[in-house]
Amino acid sequence: ELKVEQNPLFLSMQEGKNYTIYCNYSTTSDRLYWYRQDPGKSLESLFVLLSNGAVKQEGRLMASLDTKARLSTLHITAAVHDLSATYFCAVDGGAQKLVFGQGTRLTINP
Amino acid sequence: DAGVIQSPRHEVTEMGQEVTLRCKPISGHDYLFWYRQTMMRGLELLIYFNNNVPIDDSGMPEDRFSAKMPNASFSTLKIQPSEPRDSAVYFCASSLWGDPRARAYNEQFFGPGTRLTVL
Repeated sequence: ELKVEQNPLFLSMQEGKNYTIYCNYSTTSDRLYWYRQDPGKSLESLFVLLSNGAVKQEGRLMASLDTKARLSTLHITAAVHDLSATYFCAVDGGAQKLVFGQGTRLTINP
Repeated sequence: DAGVIQSPRHEVTEMGQEVTLRCKPISGHDYLFWYRQTMMRGLELLIYFNNNVPIDDSGMPEDRFSAKMPNASFSTLKIQPSEPRDSAVYFCASSLWGDPRARAYNEQFFGPGTRLTVL
């Protein structure tokens, strides 16, 4: 059974700092997704990583995938308050299913 | 594109009542997913459909829950009778294998959710 684990689950950081969220998964998969959820809102797709070594960047966020290590990272550079949200990774579980991590609640303080 | 549409957005009901949640997927999408989100259990996949046929309902918590997809543009999730522990946000999502608008196969697009409170 595919399991997806994120860490940390809670992250409080100051504006301007850098940090990384980690997503580990238990079985082989070559597709991984990152979603963002604002409080009381739905999930919004951020990145789709399709192969080993894939790297995607948008603004202050950069996501990467290492399929051999079964690890994806979401790196935040020079954080700003607008990035405060909960971030989920999701792994392709086969048969069109996605298996989601627990989510990382990110709070960025001025 | 209107995106995935869900109704109602909020539902407050009393224990024992029947609750029906509705979802309209993105036009042309052939997969539809129902998820439940709670603080304690996170995001759980309840059931999903392909071309209106249920594929996997192993996430449905118990017989009180049922889901149907009578046509490609409409699905319902019904809880009867409802219990306080069913209080959660219920999301519907849809996807299309090989959707050129998606950045990858299997990208799921989520609706706004229905916040259910059972008193």
